Amino acid sequence: DAKTTQPPSMDCAEGRAANLPCNHSTISGNEYVYWYRQIHSQGPQYIIHGLKNNETNEMASLIITEDRKSSTLILPHATLRDTAVYYCIVRPYNFNKFYFGSGTKLNVKP
Amino acid sequence: DAGVIQSPRHEVTEMGQEVTLRCKPISGHNSLFWYRQTMMRGLELLIYFNNNVPIDDSGMPEDRFSAKMPNASFSTLKIQPSEPRDSAVYFCASGGLAGGRVGTGELFFGEGSRLTVL
Repeated sequence: DAKTTQPPSMDCAEGRAANLPCNHSTISGNEYVYWYRQIHSQGPQYIIHGLKNNETNEMASLIITEDRKSSTLILPHATLRDTAVYYCIVRPYNFNKFYFGSGTKLNVKP
Repeated sequence: DAGVIQSPRHEVTEMGQEVTLRCKPISGHNSLFWYRQTMMRGLELLIYFNNNVPIDDSGMPEDRFSAKMPNASFSTLKIQPSEPRDSAVYFCASGGLAGGRVGTGELFFGEGSRLTVL
């Protein structure tokens, strides 16, 4: 029961902004959007999360559409070290389980 | 902060042997998760604990798998007997619970234990 849809892969030039889309058309009112990434064979790493307002932290920005049916993770200046699989997850804030889908493999190229 | 510590990092064993994977969560975190990752199935949630109590083990594939958390600083995932299809990377993750129940949403993962069953 996939709750999010992401493209399987994307390319980005080093130094450019990477914009990773996620569709979550069946999102409920109490569900947050979370983004994690997994670099090579390391454990996944938390990036950012949001409910309906745009969010920004030192790693990335999260843009959520007004109807909340989709979102975009923005890495403002991608580096080679940002090459990873990026996972978009929707999850109720009072629900402790995270289910990871297949994610988007971002390839940052020199 | 040392982060989530898992051991062993790599394990190669023969079919039928018992395998024990270990995890030390981040101090102060009161939720702990075990995941399994394979190329075919991606990241699968096996079981999670809140305050050392198993809350949901519906992801545990079969009775050969068991997990314990005897205290807040230690958890084990055991496979007995192991089979070749158990070969995977097993991740442990910990997180805080806001207000005692609600997850903050930020899970911290260990480096994983790569298991190969021959």
